[in-house]
Amino acid sequence: GAGVSQSPSNKVTEKGKDVELRCDPISGHTALYWYRQSLGQGLEFLIYFQGNSAPDKSGLPSDRFSAERTGGSVSTLTIQRTQQEDSAVYLCASSLRPLGQPQETQYFGPGTRLLVL
Amino acid sequence: QKEVEQDPGPLSVPEGAIVSLNCTYSNSAFQYFMWYRQYSRKGPELLMYTYSSGNKEDGRFTAQVDKSSKYISLFIRDSQPSDSATYLCAMSATGANNLFFGTGTRLTVIP
Repeated sequence: GAGVSQSPSNKVTEKGKDVELRCDPISGHTALYWYRQSLGQGLEFLIYFQGNSAPDKSGLPSDRFSAERTGGSVSTLTIQRTQQEDSAVYLCASSLRPLGQPQETQYFGPGTRLLVL
Repeated sequence: QKEVEQDPGPLSVPEGAIVSLNCTYSNSAFQYFMWYRQYSRKGPELLMYTYSSGNKEDGRFTAQVDKSSKYISLFIRDSQPSDSATYLCAMSATGANNLFFGTGTRLTVIP
Protein backbone atom coordinates (compact mmCIF):
# COMPACT_ATOMS: atom_id res chain seq x y z
CA GLY A 1 0.00 0.00 0.00
CA ALA A 2 1.02 3.56 -0.58
CA GLY A 3 -0.05 5.02 2.74
CA VAL A 4 0.31 4.46 6.47
CA SER A 5 -1.88 1.63 7.67
CA GLN A 6 -3.09 0.91 11.19
CA SER A 7 -4.87 -2.00 12.82
CA PRO A 8 -7.31 -2.61 14.26
CA SER A 9 -9.59 0.18 13.05
CA ASN A 10 -11.63 -0.06 16.22
CA LYS A 11 -10.96 -1.68 19.56
CA VAL A 12 -13.33 -2.07 22.49
CA THR A 13 -11.83 -3.40 25.68
CA GLU A 14 -12.60 -3.66 29.35
CA LYS A 15 -10.89 -1.57 31.96
CA GLY A 16 -7.74 -3.29 33.19
CA LYS A 17 -7.03 -5.23 30.00
CA ASP A 18 -3.93 -4.72 27.85
CA VAL A 19 -4.22 -3.64 24.21
CA GLU A 20 -1.81 -3.59 21.27
CA LEU A 21 -2.14 -1.20 18.36
CA ARG A 22 -0.20 -1.72 15.15
CA CYS A 23 1.23 0.72 12.60
CA ASP A 24 2.74 0.03 9.19
CA PRO A 25 4.51 3.18 7.96
CA ILE A 26 5.12 4.19 4.37
CA SER A 27 7.91 2.09 2.91
CA GLY A 28 11.27 3.84 3.17
CA HIS A 29 10.16 6.35 5.79
CA THR A 30 12.76 6.50 8.54
CA ALA A 31 10.70 8.36 11.12
CA LEU A 32 7.55 7.09 12.85
CA TYR A 33 5.31 8.90 15.31
CA TRP A 34 2.40 8.06 17.56
CA TYR A 35 -0.20 10.63 18.56
CA ARG A 36 -3.38 10.48 20.61
CA GLN A 37 -6.46 12.45 19.58
CA SER A 38 -9.09 12.98 22.23
CA LEU A 39 -12.35 14.80 21.69
CA GLY A 40 -11.73 18.54 21.75
CA GLN A 41 -8.08 18.08 22.70
CA GLY A 42 -6.27 18.05 19.38
CA LEU A 43 -3.38 15.72 18.66
CA GLU A 44 -1.12 14.87 21.58
CA PHE A 45 2.38 13.61 20.78
CA LEU A 46 3.24 10.28 22.38
CA ILE A 47 6.47 8.83 20.98
CA TYR A 48 8.89 9.20 18.06
CA PHE A 49 11.19 6.68 16.39
CA GLN A 50 14.01 7.69 14.04
CA GLY A 51 16.06 4.98 12.39
CA ASN A 52 18.04 3.01 14.93
CA SER A 53 18.24 5.84 17.46
CA ALA A 54 16.73 5.61 20.92
CA PRO A 55 13.07 6.68 20.72
CA ASP A 56 11.83 9.99 22.09
CA LYS A 57 9.32 8.84 24.72
CA SER A 58 8.75 12.27 26.23
CA GLY A 59 5.04 12.32 25.33
CA LEU A 60 4.01 9.02 26.89
CA PRO A 61 1.47 9.88 29.62
CA SER A 62 2.34 7.07 32.02
CA ASP A 63 4.43 3.92 32.36
CA ARG A 64 1.39 1.92 31.22
CA PHE A 65 2.20 3.10 27.70
CA SER A 66 5.07 1.62 25.69
CA ALA A 67 5.97 1.24 22.03
CA GLU A 68 8.35 -0.73 19.89
CA ARG A 69 9.51 -0.46 16.33
CA THR A 70 10.90 -3.67 14.92
CA GLY A 71 13.34 -3.73 12.03
CA GLY A 72 12.90 -0.04 11.44
CA SER A 73 9.43 -0.58 10.02
CA VAL A 74 6.32 -1.82 11.83
CA SER A 75 5.52 -0.32 15.22
CA THR A 76 3.33 -1.52 18.07
CA LEU A 77 1.89 0.72 20.77
CA THR A 78 0.96 -1.18 23.92
CA ILE A 79 -1.29 0.11 26.68
CA GLN A 80 -1.30 -1.98 29.83
CA ARG A 81 -4.09 -2.04 32.40
CA THR A 82 -6.26 0.24 30.29
CA GLN A 83 -8.27 2.99 31.96
CA GLN A 84 -11.39 4.75 30.71
CA GLU A 85 -9.40 7.94 30.14
CA ASP A 86 -7.30 6.04 27.58
CA SER A 87 -10.30 6.07 25.24
CA ALA A 88 -9.25 8.08 22.19
CA VAL A 89 -8.14 7.77 18.58
CA TYR A 90 -4.52 6.67 18.33
CA LEU A 91 -2.87 7.98 15.18
CA CYS A 92 0.37 6.83 13.65
CA ALA A 93 2.37 8.95 11.20
CA SER A 94 5.58 8.56 9.28
CA SER A 95 7.98 10.88 7.48
CA LEU A 96 10.79 10.25 5.02
CA ARG A 97 13.29 12.14 7.18
CA PRO A 98 13.16 13.72 10.63
CA LEU A 99 10.94 16.75 11.06
CA GLY A 100 12.28 20.24 11.46
CA GLN A 101 13.73 20.33 7.98
CA PRO A 102 12.43 22.22 4.97
CA GLN A 103 9.58 20.48 3.16
CA GLU A 104 9.48 17.60 5.60
CA THR A 105 6.17 16.64 7.11
CA GLN A 106 4.18 13.71 8.35
CA TYR A 107 1.73 11.37 6.67
CA PHE A 108 -0.96 9.94 8.90
CA GLY A 109 -2.74 6.63 9.05
CA PRO A 110 -6.52 6.38 9.60
CA GLY A 111 -6.15 5.76 13.31
CA THR A 112 -7.34 3.15 15.80
CA ARG A 113 -10.42 4.11 17.79
CA LEU A 114 -10.03 2.73 21.29
CA LEU A 115 -12.93 2.53 23.70
CA VAL A 116 -12.30 1.36 27.24
CA LEU A 117 -15.46 0.32 29.05
CA GLN B 1 -1.20 28.09 28.11
CA LYS B 2 -1.13 25.75 25.12
CA GLU B 3 1.65 26.26 22.60
CA VAL B 4 -0.88 26.42 19.77
CA GLU B 5 -4.35 27.92 20.10
CA GLN B 6 -7.13 27.36 17.59
CA ASP B 7 -10.81 28.23 17.78
CA PRO B 8 -12.64 24.88 17.68
CA GLY B 9 -15.75 26.35 16.04
CA PRO B 10 -17.92 24.85 14.77
CA LEU B 11 -18.08 27.09 11.72
CA SER B 12 -20.92 26.90 9.20
CA VAL B 13 -20.86 28.81 5.93
CA PRO B 14 -22.93 28.76 2.73
CA GLU B 15 -21.44 27.26 -0.41
CA GLY B 16 -19.28 29.77 -2.27
CA ALA B 17 -18.29 31.73 0.84
CA ILE B 18 -14.73 32.66 1.77
CA VAL B 19 -13.59 30.86 4.89
CA SER B 20 -10.91 32.14 7.25
CA LEU B 21 -9.30 29.79 9.76
CA ASN B 22 -6.68 30.95 12.24
CA CYS B 23 -4.18 29.81 14.83
CA THR B 24 -1.95 31.63 17.25
CA TYR B 25 1.15 30.26 18.88
CA SER B 26 3.58 31.16 21.62
CA ASN B 27 6.86 29.49 20.64
CA SER B 28 8.98 31.86 18.55
CA ALA B 29 11.18 28.92 17.47
CA PHE B 30 8.45 27.54 15.21
CA GLN B 31 9.58 27.80 11.59
CA TYR B 32 7.45 25.27 9.73
CA PHE B 33 3.70 25.71 9.49
CA MET B 34 1.15 23.31 8.14
CA TRP B 35 -2.57 22.92 7.68
CA TYR B 36 -4.11 19.48 7.78
CA ARG B 37 -7.63 18.51 6.78
CA GLN B 38 -9.32 15.68 8.60
CA TYR B 39 -12.53 14.09 7.40
CA SER B 40 -14.72 12.22 9.84
CA ARG B 41 -13.17 8.91 10.95
CA LYS B 42 -10.07 9.49 8.82
CA GLY B 43 -6.50 10.50 9.58
CA PRO B 44 -5.31 14.08 8.96
CA GLU B 45 -4.04 14.81 5.44
CA LEU B 46 -1.60 17.57 4.60
CA LEU B 47 -3.23 20.50 2.85
CA MET B 48 -0.69 23.33 2.94
CA TYR B 49 2.93 23.73 4.01
CA THR B 50 4.68 27.05 4.63
CA TYR B 51 8.19 27.78 5.79
CA SER B 52 8.73 30.91 7.90
CA SER B 53 6.69 34.02 7.09
CA GLY B 54 4.78 34.78 3.94
CA ASN B 55 1.92 33.55 1.80
CA LYS B 56 1.39 30.41 -0.19
CA GLU B 57 -1.43 29.75 -2.62
CA ASP B 58 -2.65 26.44 -3.99
CA GLY B 59 -5.85 26.54 -5.97
CA ARG B 60 -8.67 27.76 -3.73
CA PHE B 61 -6.44 27.63 -0.64
CA THR B 62 -4.11 30.34 0.68
CA ALA B 63 -1.93 29.97 3.75
CA GLN B 64 -0.48 33.01 5.50
CA VAL B 65 2.13 33.16 8.24
CA ASP B 66 2.88 36.27 10.29
CA LYS B 67 5.74 35.38 12.59
CA SER B 68 5.90 38.84 14.13
CA SER B 69 2.36 38.34 15.45
CA LYS B 70 2.71 34.56 15.91
CA TYR B 71 -0.41 34.14 13.81
CA ILE B 72 -1.22 31.85 10.90
CA SER B 73 -4.25 31.71 8.66
CA LEU B 74 -5.85 29.50 6.06
CA PHE B 75 -8.26 30.99 3.55
CA ILE B 76 -10.60 28.89 1.45
CA ARG B 77 -12.19 30.63 -1.54
CA ASP B 78 -15.39 29.50 -3.23
CA SER B 79 -15.98 26.96 -0.48
CA GLN B 80 -17.60 23.66 -1.48
CA PRO B 81 -19.59 21.10 0.52
CA SER B 82 -16.64 18.74 0.03
CA ASP B 83 -14.55 21.15 2.13
CA SER B 84 -16.62 20.18 5.17
CA ALA B 85 -14.06 18.71 7.56
CA THR B 86 -11.95 19.56 10.59
CA TYR B 87 -8.95 21.75 9.83
CA LEU B 88 -5.90 21.42 12.04
CA CYS B 89 -2.98 23.80 12.14
CA ALA B 90 0.39 22.30 13.00
CA MET B 91 3.88 23.65 13.41
CA SER B 92 7.38 22.65 14.35
CA ALA B 93 10.82 24.05 15.01
CA THR B 94 14.14 23.16 13.42
CA GLY B 95 15.33 19.87 14.84
CA ALA B 96 12.00 19.13 16.49
CA ASN B 97 10.85 15.54 16.92
CA ASN B 98 7.14 16.19 16.57
CA LEU B 99 4.47 18.59 15.36
CA PHE B 100 2.47 20.77 17.70
CA PHE B 101 -1.19 20.84 16.74
CA GLY B 102 -4.11 23.11 17.34
CA THR B 103 -7.34 21.52 18.54
CA GLY B 104 -8.88 21.81 15.06
CA THR B 105 -11.76 23.85 13.65
CA ARG B 106 -14.80 21.96 12.44
CA LEU B 107 -16.11 23.47 9.19
CA THR B 108 -19.44 22.76 7.51
CA VAL B 109 -20.18 24.17 4.06
CA ILE B 110 -23.91 24.20 3.44
CA PRO B 111 -25.08 23.61 -0.16
